[in-house]
Amino acid sequence: AQTVTQSQPEMSVQEAETVTLSCTYDTSESDYYLFWYKQPPSRQMILVIRQEAYKQQNATENRFSVNFQKAAKSFSLKISDSQLGDAAMYFCAYRANTNAGKSTFGDGTTLTVKP
Amino acid sequence: DAGVIQSPRHEVTEMGQEVTLRCKPISGHNSLFWYRQTMMRGLELLIYFNNNVPIDDSGMPEDRFSAKMPNASFSTLKIQPSEPRDSAVYFCASSHGLLGTGELFFGEGSRLTVL
Repeated sequence: AQTVTQSQPEMSVQEAETVTLSCTYDTSESDYYLFWYKQPPSRQMILVIRQEAYKQQNATENRFSVNFQKAAKSFSLKISDSQLGDAAMYFCAYRANTNAGKSTFGDGTTLTVKP
Repeated sequence: DAGVIQSPRHEVTEMGQEVTLRCKPISGHNSLFWYRQTMMRGLELLIYFNNNVPIDDSGMPEDRFSAKMPNASFSTLKIQPSEPRDSAVYFCASSHGLLGTGELFFGEGSRLTVL
């Protein structure tokens, strides 16, 4: 079974600084997708960034980027120039293409941004 | 697009009562997911549908839980009888089918409190 592990229950960062959230996963599949979702205090979860496993290039979305290490099964999220609005719980998620549609989520990391 | 719409946003009920949670997925999405979120257990997938057909209900905790999707635009999650341990936030999410990247679009959730 696929598992996703987020080893940092809580992280904090100073406004305008950079923070990295860690995620590791376990799978025997070779074709899959990885996601980072953000859940602000308002509760609705939204997609932050997505990575296709077959792509070697790390995905980036504005201030958000990932460090995808396929061999190590590691998928960290880097947030640059942190803003107060980045404060939220962040979930790492995995979805195998062979079992499309069923995402496995980590336990989440709560990020606090200090002004 | 209106996004995934869930109702009610909040529900407080007494143990033993029937609870029905409702979800309208994004138009054109043919996969629908029900998740439960608690502090203790994190985010759990309860059941998911593709083209209105239940694909995997292995996450449904017990027979007190049932889910239906009578058409492409509506799904319900029913708990009967409810118990205090069912207190949680229940999320509905939809995605664009079994192909593609499988990004999940979440509703705002239904917070259930069973007294």
